[in-house]
Amino acid sequence: GAVVSQHPSWVICKSGTSVKIECRSLDFQATTMFWYRQFPKQSLMLMATSNEGSKATYEQGVEKDKFLINHASLTLSTLTVTSAHPEDSSFYICSAKRGSSYNEQFFGPGTRLTVL
Amino acid sequence: SQQGEEDPQALSIQEGENATMNCSYKTSINNLQWYRQNSGRGLVHLILIRSNEREKHSGRLRVTLDTSKKSSSLLITASRAADTASYFCATPAGGTSYGKLTFGQGTILTVHP
Repeated sequence: GAVVSQHPSWVICKSGTSVKIECRSLDFQATTMFWYRQFPKQSLMLMATSNEGSKATYEQGVEKDKFLINHASLTLSTLTVTSAHPEDSSFYICSAKRGSSYNEQFFGPGTRLTVL
Repeated sequence: SQQGEEDPQALSIQEGENATMNCSYKTSINNLQWYRQNSGRGLVHLILIRSNEREKHSGRLRVTLDTSKKSSSLLITASRAADTASYFCATPAGGTSYGKLTFGQGTILTVHP
């Protein structure tokens, strides 16, 4: 159990377009999901916390209007990169938190975004 | 600077040898986790050690936690080529159990067959 999926696994888009990435918890309900960004050979940087039914909480330096997060159900959160530019090219990883004790969360396989 | 600094940044060993990675953190925590990431893939949870634990084992993995030194180590014994990956420690952001994690910079482990 505790599987998190992401779709798509990779995407190539033109500069100026918007891209939506889905994160789903397949066999559990996740009231909280997290979105991370990872540049090559670097660590994961938390972008935002997504709570079901409420607005996402963004980390300092992350543009809310550029990275739109929607958590419409207990099993789905979406990250939309609006008006993507080449510098947005990165590996985006989501995680879903199960339960309230400690930090039991499970990570998706990631989405590779390349903006041309 | 980021909570969770790791060393070494890269480690190259032969199959069968042991690999030790270290992680230091700055604020008080109630737990610390280690994750593995194969190239271009998501994270796999390896082990969680709570602040009241000093050592924990899982298969070929041994994790220690020294809260007085704010450091942790991950030991992989009898390494295999399949252990080649990046390893990250993660601590609760701000020391909370809310779920936000701060990741270390990671150690890139290469195990040569």
